[in-house]
Amino acid sequence: KAGVTQTPRYLIKTRGQQVTLSCSPISGHRSVSWYQQTPGQGLQFLFEYFSETQRNKGNFPGRFSGRQFSNSRSEMNVSTLELGDSALYLCASSLGRGSNSPLHFGNGTRLTVT
Amino acid sequence: GESVGLHLPTLSVQEGDNSIINCAYSNSASDYFIWYKQESGKGPQFIIDIRSNMDKRQGQRVTVLLNKTVKHLSLQIAATQPGDSAVYFCAETYMDTGRRALTFGSGTRLQVQP
Repeated sequence: KAGVTQTPRYLIKTRGQQVTLSCSPISGHRSVSWYQQTPGQGLQFLFEYFSETQRNKGNFPGRFSGRQFSNSRSEMNVSTLELGDSALYLCASSLGRGSNSPLHFGNGTRLTVT
Repeated sequence: GESVGLHLPTLSVQEGDNSIINCAYSNSASDYFIWYKQESGKGPQFIIDIRSNMDKRQGQRVTVLLNKTVKHLSLQIAATQPGDSAVYFCAETYMDTGRRALTFGSGTRLQVQP
C-alpha cells in the first residue's frame, strides 16, 4: 500500500507570494491533518480534515487554509507568505478521525521563503 | 540532511546496547500515546502506541511503558542498531472542548555509535 504522498518536495517562494501544497493520503484513510515543523517550535498542528470538512484547527493565522476533496486528497494554502513561514510542512492521514488512531506522515514539503 | 531540531536533547549509545528514551507528557486527561521516529529528510514514522488502560506494550525490539501517576512515557529499544539513529517524538492525545487534540513532545535525538 502506498504511503502518504506530498508534492512538491521542495519549494522556494518570496515574501508576499502564496503557495499551495498537496497531499494524497493512504488509500482508505479519510482523515488528513497538516503540521508545520520548525527547529524552534517543533511540530505544530495546523488543521484536520475528515469527509471534506475541517474538524479541528490549530492556532495559526487565517493566511493558512486548507481543503479536502471527495477522494480524501487535501491541499493547504498559505497566502501573503512571510519569512517565518519557512518550514517543513507535513501531511498525515489516519483511518479514524480525531487523532484516536495513529497518524501516518508523508515526507513533507520543505518551504523556503526569501 | 535537513535539521529537525538544532538543540534537542541527545542520547548517545553503543551499537548493541539498549536505549531508553523518556517523555514527560503534560495532560493528565491524555488517553492515547504514540511514539514516532523521524530520520533526516523524512516525515515522522509511527513506531508504537499505547492507550491509557495499559502500562506496557511491546513491539518488535521496542517497548513502551506508561506511568500515569507521574505522567511519564518511555520508549525502550533493544539491541540498538545504527539504523535506529533518528529523532524520536512522543505524542499525547486528549479531548479538548469536545474535540480530540494531539500534541507532540519536542523530541530526543538518538545517536548510535558503531
